[in-house]
Amino acid sequence: ELKVEQNPLFLSMQEGKNYTIYCNYSTTSDRLYWYRQDPGKSLESLFVLLSNGAVKQEGRLMASLDTKARLSTLHITAAVHDLSATYFCAVDPGWVTFGEGTQLTVNP
Amino acid sequence: DTGVSQDPRHKITKRGQNVTFRCDPISEHNRLYWYRQTLGQGPEFLTYFQNEAQLEKSRLLSDRFSAERPKGSFSTLEIQRTEQGDSAMYLCASSFWDRGHGYTFGSGTRLTVV
Repeated sequence: ELKVEQNPLFLSMQEGKNYTIYCNYSTTSDRLYWYRQDPGKSLESLFVLLSNGAVKQEGRLMASLDTKARLSTLHITAAVHDLSATYFCAVDPGWVTFGEGTQLTVNP
Repeated sequence: DTGVSQDPRHKITKRGQNVTFRCDPISEHNRLYWYRQTLGQGPEFLTYFQNEAQLEKSRLLSDRFSAERPKGSFSTLEIQRTEQGDSAMYLCASSFWDRGHGYTFGSGTRLTVV
């Protein structure tokens, strides 16, 4: 059965610091997605990574994909409070399958 | 286009009652998905449609759950004989068939079974 594992599950960081969230998945997939969810809200698409070596950046977030290692990373640069949310990675073996999420809290 | 719409936003029902949720996808999208999300967990896939065809339904949680998309536009998700364990957020999403654009999610229907 497909497993999508995120690490860490909880992350508390200070404003201005950098950090990386890791996403490992257990089956071949050439598509990987990152979503953001604010408390009580729905999911917002952040990145769609479609090939090995893909890298996408938006503001302080950068996502990359290594399909051979079955690994994606979401790197946060100089975190700000507004980035506090839960971040999900997901793969698509036929339908999008989500990891458990990483709950990020950015403290002043 | 206003995105993916779900109705109602909140539903409180008594155990044993039937409930039905509606989802209106983005009109250009031909795929529609239903997910369930419980607190602290990632969304859990339930079923999906391409146009009016239900292409995967083995992940529906039990035979009390059913979904329809009769004309390939809006979809309904029905839960019969609700149980307290059905309390969750039910999310609908839509996408283009090629999956390269990711899914667009609705705001969800929060179900509380009392």
